[in-house]
Amino acid sequence: DTGVSQNPRHKITKRGQNVTFRCDPISEHNRLYWYRQTLGQGPEFLTYFQNEAQLEKSRLLSDRFSAERPKGSFSTLEIQRTEQGDSAMYLCASSSGTGHFDGYTFGSGTRLTVV
Amino acid sequence: AQSVTQLGSHVSVSEGALVLLRCNYSSSVPPYLFWYVQYPNQGLQLLLKYTSAATLVKGINGFEAEFKKSETSFHLTKPSAHMSDAAEYFCAVSTGANSKLTFGKGITLSVRP
Repeated sequence: DTGVSQNPRHKITKRGQNVTFRCDPISEHNRLYWYRQTLGQGPEFLTYFQNEAQLEKSRLLSDRFSAERPKGSFSTLEIQRTEQGDSAMYLCASSSGTGHFDGYTFGSGTRLTVV
Repeated sequence: AQSVTQLGSHVSVSEGALVLLRCNYSSSVPPYLFWYVQYPNQGLQLLLKYTSAATLVKGINGFEAEFKKSETSFHLTKPSAHMSDAAEYFCAVSTGANSKLTFGKGITLSVRP
């Protein structure tokens, strides 16, 4: 297993366009998380899945954002009608159970630039 | 609610000097605490974690941290800094079953030759 994989690594889009990111977690991990990190800040929680069920969404996740994890495997995060304020690094992480004891494994992130 | 405070945004040390990065947390229930390191344009790598076992936790690359409940602190230390330690360091807390991490704002560590 090569860890958590995120694609693409970089995405430049025009304001108003839709974008979709993909995260492939560690195969045996049942929990998957999305975070957003802006320059000079720590990552902020967006949402998480246990298997295919989306269990919690942050208020940061406006109705322009949607995340899915079909069949409890990979996950996608879609942003509709992108705005300049959406420019950030989007990080995916996965864990086995709560992650409290084994930790959370992060991917390298997708850097989104909205122009 | 849970939160993390990392005072100061930048720490600079000489190579071979002690590294001390401070982290204070707030939690109404027993916390799980983590330190992560992030190199430019990369994801987060786990350095160490506190899971209510030993209060002194040893991690990778010679780092360690001590959980002090009375001070609500989980400071990260390394006896001797190396040039390769230059990076951004994040303290994070998690509680309960939801397992989401709440991060501090991070501290940039610079190491002078």
